[in-house]
Amino acid sequence: NAGVTQTPKFQVLKTGQSMTLQCAQDMNHNSMYWYRQDPGMGLRLIYYSASEGTTDKGEVPNGYNVSRLNKREFSLRLESAAPSQTSVYFCASGVMNTEAFFGQGTRLTVV
Amino acid sequence: GQSLEQPSEVTAVEGAIVQINCTYQTSGFYGLSWYQQHDGGAPTFLSYNALDGLEETGRFSSFLSRSDSYGYLLLQELQMKDSASYFCAVRGDKIIFGKGTRLHILP
Repeated sequence: NAGVTQTPKFQVLKTGQSMTLQCAQDMNHNSMYWYRQDPGMGLRLIYYSASEGTTDKGEVPNGYNVSRLNKREFSLRLESAAPSQTSVYFCASGVMNTEAFFGQGTRLTVV
Repeated sequence: GQSLEQPSEVTAVEGAIVQINCTYQTSGFYGLSWYQQHDGGAPTFLSYNALDGLEETGRFSSFLSRSDSYGYLLLQELQMKDSASYFCAVRGDKIIFGKGTRLHILP
């Protein structure tokens, strides 16, 4: 049972490069989320998708775009990476208002 | 908007009891959750309170007072493996996390 799978696990980008972080869940959850985690800042919500075909901005959406490709997959795109986007990115999925299941994270460094 | 406040660090002794508090402000509220995160790992779910009162799961308990916009996580019989960061999270129109409490356990 894979749960939530994120790829890649590690990535180094140069400033201005673009990339897409992939996330897939096999738990048939409607809701999916992208968070970033920086030291001392906790988990900050970037974007979320309450159901297939819908996406909404979270707390820190600037510089990111998302696509809810189908019920299983929710991708996060950085169009032009900046050093301020160096962070650990977590994808999560959940059932309504209770438990969220997290992927193992993507450690992104922008130089 | 939504915001949560929790202490940045707490220190306790192995075998003791520790309480981690969380106060929140949210425009809509469905429940308060708690997550544990070890260094280098992903957050994992511990508990969820939708109604006032205490929920117990083994050594961990969680409490909610909706009228006070307050909750806490209680960890009993502390073990060294409980050294981790603990996050409270509220679900209003979206799930928002607090900044986390780092729990240090002394032998």
